[in-house]
Amino acid sequence: AQSVTQPDIHITVSEGASLELRCNYSYGATPYLFWYVQSPGQGLQLLLKYFSGDTLVQGIKGFEAEFKRSQSSFNLRKPSVHWSDAAEYFCAVVRRDSNYQLIWGAGTKLIIKP
Amino acid sequence: KAGVTQTPRYLIKTRGQQVTLSCSPISGHRSVSWYQQTPGQGLQFLFEYFSETQRNKGNFPGRFSGRQFSNSRSEMNVSTLELGDSALYLCASSLISVGGTGTQPGKAFFGQGTRLTVV
Repeated sequence: AQSVTQPDIHITVSEGASLELRCNYSYGATPYLFWYVQSPGQGLQLLLKYFSGDTLVQGIKGFEAEFKRSQSSFNLRKPSVHWSDAAEYFCAVVRRDSNYQLIWGAGTKLIIKP
Repeated sequence: KAGVTQTPRYLIKTRGQQVTLSCSPISGHRSVSWYQQTPGQGLQFLFEYFSETQRNKGNFPGRFSGRQFSNSRSEMNVSTLELGDSALYLCASSLISVGGTGTQPGKAFFGQGTRLTVV
């Protein structure tokens, strides 16, 4: 079955430390790939997306993600987290051969230690 | 430009009742998608409307239905509410719907959601 996996339900990092959130998908072909962030009480906001081209994409708020075809992964990274990054992060994909439908991971909750 | 507006923000209903949620997309956007978000389940796709037509539907029972009006505003209805329907319901609007046209999916803008509690 088609799926998007975010293996970490919660991640705790210290402020100023680096961050990597994992995302894997199970499609044969490369889908469109997205990372969204949901801050407490807020709607979802698009951080970055990958359609084609350079496999390292830059997003807002200092985030980046790297698409690795061989690993079917699209991990989100940030070199130094800030307390305001505490939120829930969702990876999502859209298959290129389907009608537009975002398939979502279950989310990873990021907790920042002072 | 105003964002995606969902009303009401919070709702408490009892089992067996029905509920209607509303979503006003960003002006000019014609695609509205609905999602159910529950803890640990992530976002589950309910359905998508584009130009008043349902384009896609997720795996939810027929108690969940929706519609879209000519001004692109959308409503979602849940009949015969169950306790398990308690969730955050999110709506997303985007400029285009891929729908097999081969174009890239547009960026989706989300509303803040309606928190539905069924007691």
